Amino acid sequence: GENVEQHPSTLSVQEGDSAVIKCTYSDSASNYFPWYKQELGKRPQLIIDIRSNVGEKKDQRIAVTLNKTAKHFSLHITETQPEDSAVYFCAARDSGTYKYIFGTGTRLKVLA
Amino acid sequence: SQTIHQWPATLVQPVGSPLSLECTVEGTSNPNLYWYRQAAGRGLQLLFYSVGIGQISSEVPQNLSASRPQDRQFILSSKKLLLSDSGFYLCAWSVQGGAGVGYTFGSGTRLTVV
Repeated sequence: GENVEQHPSTLSVQEGDSAVIKCTYSDSASNYFPWYKQELGKRPQLIIDIRSNVGEKKDQRIAVTLNKTAKHFSLHITETQPEDSAVYFCAARDSGTYKYIFGTGTRLKVLA
Repeated sequence: SQTIHQWPATLVQPVGSPLSLECTVEGTSNPNLYWYRQAAGRGLQLLFYSVGIGQISSEVPQNLSASRPQDRQFILSSKKLLLSDSGFYLCAWSVQGGAGVGYTFGSGTRLTVV
């Protein structure tokens, strides 16, 4: 089955700087990789996703890159703002089931 | 459009009492349904998932059970709650067949067992 590792567990950046969160996965047949943002006390919300036939996807200040050969994908947030502070989860869809395997989360703090 | 409803939002229950959390999805048919638990400051632990009525897969041995009596209804239950059952419970749905659409989560139930 799929296994997803996520780093770092905590990340502090100055407002305006960039933040990068990295995940690795084990199932080479996985083909879909979503990212979720969870604010304190709220549900995780999908912020961006990428499919295995694409190497990079951007949506304004956030982008995700995928390296299928190395089996890792990353979330990039540019020009960070205080409202970007949250816990971010990566996930990978297990090719043998309909489950999404989540990383352990990264707590991002943007310092004003 | 599809929506997912989960209730109650918060719940305080004594140890040994029963539990029933309900989740319903609107605007879609035959969804995959999931129950997660999140301990304070921790990650998302998948408890159960279902690909159809009466079809439940359990991910971890525990004090909880799940049922899917209708296509778009998913229920999480316990006969006797333990202190360790406290946490933030999230229901989620996805398109049947795993068409690559990410999970959508319900708003969650914060359960405190006292």
